[in-house]
Amino acid sequence: DTGVSQDPRHKITKRGQNVTFRCDPISEHNRLYWYRQTLGQGPEFLTYFQNEAQLEKSRLLSDRFSAERPKGSFSTLEIQRTEQGDSAMYLCASSLPRVQGPYEQYFGPGTRLTVT
Amino acid sequence: SQELEQSPQSLIVQEGKNLTINCTSSKTLYGLYWYKQKYGEGLIFLMMLQKGGEEKSHEKITAKLDEKKQQSSLHITASQPSHAGIYLCGAPKQTGANNLFFGTGTRLTVIP
Repeated sequence: DTGVSQDPRHKITKRGQNVTFRCDPISEHNRLYWYRQTLGQGPEFLTYFQNEAQLEKSRLLSDRFSAERPKGSFSTLEIQRTEQGDSAMYLCASSLPRVQGPYEQYFGPGTRLTVT
Repeated sequence: SQELEQSPQSLIVQEGKNLTINCTSSKTLYGLYWYKQKYGEGLIFLMMLQKGGEEKSHEKITAKLDEKKQQSSLHITASQPSHAGIYLCGAPKQTGANNLFFGTGTRLTVIP
């Protein structure tokens, strides 16, 4: 059983360029989450999918950010016109739904973005 | 807004020593997650606590949830260098919430 995978692991880009990250969740996990983590901080929630539907977006997700999960399997996160403030680790997590109560979220290794 | 405060922020212990990390919420807890993170890597799921008074153990790590105190503790017995890393607590903002918010982490160093 493979865990959550993310690609690329590292990305260096120049300010103003567009970047796209991919996340492959654990198979059969229908919930997928994107978080962003800056140095010395805990992860911050960006957005969440249940199957292909994007059900929740954080105010952190500006208009330059867009996430998709077209077939309910892998997801992509695109950042347009990158800014230096976008430099961070972008983490993807997935989980199974639970009828009651919280549920375990399993994280991928992350994509570290550096905007120069 | 709700916050999770972790203490201590960093901890250096000699191999073989026991240690405790605390996570305190400013509001009601609807479950509490513990994760471990190696520098520059993703989060490794350790344990999830759902009910007040619940205690779970995995190998040498034990976590407890005190709902009344809005607090959780993570205890490591006989620490090893492999325990080194950043320990993060996370919680949903409300019951059934679909995302987690996290504390800023406790950096653990274990000296051989």
